[in-house]
Amino acid sequence: KQEVTQIPAALSVPEGENLVLNCSFTDSAIYNLQWFRQDPGKGLTSLLLIQSSQREQTSGRLNASLDKSSGRSTLYIAASQPGDSATYLCAVYSGGGADGLTFGKGTHLIIQP
Amino acid sequence: KAGVTQTPRYLIKTRGQQVTLSCSPISGHRSVSWYQQTPGQGLQFLFEYFSETQRNKGNFPGRFSGRQFSNSRSEMNVSTLELGDSALYLCASSATRGETQYFGPGTRLLVL
Repeated sequence: KQEVTQIPAALSVPEGENLVLNCSFTDSAIYNLQWFRQDPGKGLTSLLLIQSSQREQTSGRLNASLDKSSGRSTLYIAASQPGDSATYLCAVYSGGGADGLTFGKGTHLIIQP
Repeated sequence: KAGVTQTPRYLIKTRGQQVTLSCSPISGHRSVSWYQQTPGQGLQFLFEYFSETQRNKGNFPGRFSGRQFSNSRSEMNVSTLELGDSALYLCASSATRGETQYFGPGTRLLVL
């Protein structure tokens, strides 16, 4: 059964810092991996999707990498801003299995002004 | 394009009742998935529908069921509600299976 772990569980940094969020998964037989952000009481906003054949994806100040063989992904946020404060969730899609998207518990990020 | 919409947004029910939640996917999307989010368990997959057929089902009791209509709109039903069913229920749509999933705002269900 696929399990997804996100480290750290919480992070508080001053504005302007570059930061890295980590995600690991136990079964490397994935179809793709998605990063989301969730604001309090809201639904999820898709940030990036990386297909299993890709190594990284970029969108603005966000860069996500994938090392499928080692079961790891990282989300890099450049020049952090207070508006980046949210919970960031990593999810893997194994395709054809019974799990749909399997989510980590998330990293709660606070950017101090 | 309009995003994923879910109705109702908030719901209060009592134990033993049943509830139906609705999800309208992004226009043109054919795959709809449902998730339950609780503080203790996080986000858990309920089921996935594609072309009116349930493709996958998560590890939830048979009280949780769903369906998808020919216009891709989906409903999920929970019968004989329990206190532990209190959660945020999220619906997500994608153009086809395995593509980016776009989530709705969720339905917050409180069971008293």
